[in-house]
Amino acid sequence: GDSVTQMEGPVTLSEEAFLTINCTYTATGYPSLFWYVQYPGEGLQLLLKATKADDKGSNKGFEATYRKETTSFHLEKGSVQVSDSAVYFCALSFSGANNLFFGTGTRLTVIP
Amino acid sequence: GAVVSQHPSWVICKSGTSVKIECRSLDFQATTMFWYRQFPKQSLMLMATSNEGSKATYEQGVEKDKFLINHASLTLSTLTVTSAHPEDSSFYICSTPGHKNTGELFFGEGSRLTVL
Repeated sequence: GDSVTQMEGPVTLSEEAFLTINCTYTATGYPSLFWYVQYPGEGLQLLLKATKADDKGSNKGFEATYRKETTSFHLEKGSVQVSDSAVYFCALSFSGANNLFFGTGTRLTVIP
Repeated sequence: GAVVSQHPSWVICKSGTSVKIECRSLDFQATTMFWYRQFPKQSLMLMATSNEGSKATYEQGVEKDKFLINHASLTLSTLTVTSAHPEDSSFYICSTPGHKNTGELFFGEGSRLTVL
């Protein structure tokens, strides 16, 4: 079935460090891929998305590229800030369907 | 963007009691609401889809008599965990597609239920 496998956390980084959170997926078709972020005390919110192979989603310094050959959508940021501390969820959905398949979430803590 | 408010954010109850979780869309009309559940260190799992004015559609393995979903208005959907047991302790989250078909979902803050 369709699923998302996400790097287990927690991840702790120093400020300005490079971040990578791995995400791979299994799907029978051609899904859209998403990264959602949940800041403390808030609901999940969309961070970035990509709808087809080789698309790159980007927002707030974060990037992820839809790699069909490796079925991956790894999240990267060149220099993290304390305010990036949150839980990050990788997810997929199919065109015409609104529900998402989520990864387990990765908790990121950035220390000054 | 769309705003979804979920209440309560956490609740502790005794085994055998029922708990109601509310999910409100604050600035738009939500015709569809998704309810998710997350166990520790596991993925968010879709429990059911509710549509305003009709019966909810439950995912396989979800007991509809235990998890009662009501979507009586365009701004409110509720999930009631009936006769709760410790194994129902979990994190419950609602979400809605919003008013634009962008593929994005808008989420509530989540409700952590602990059943003693």
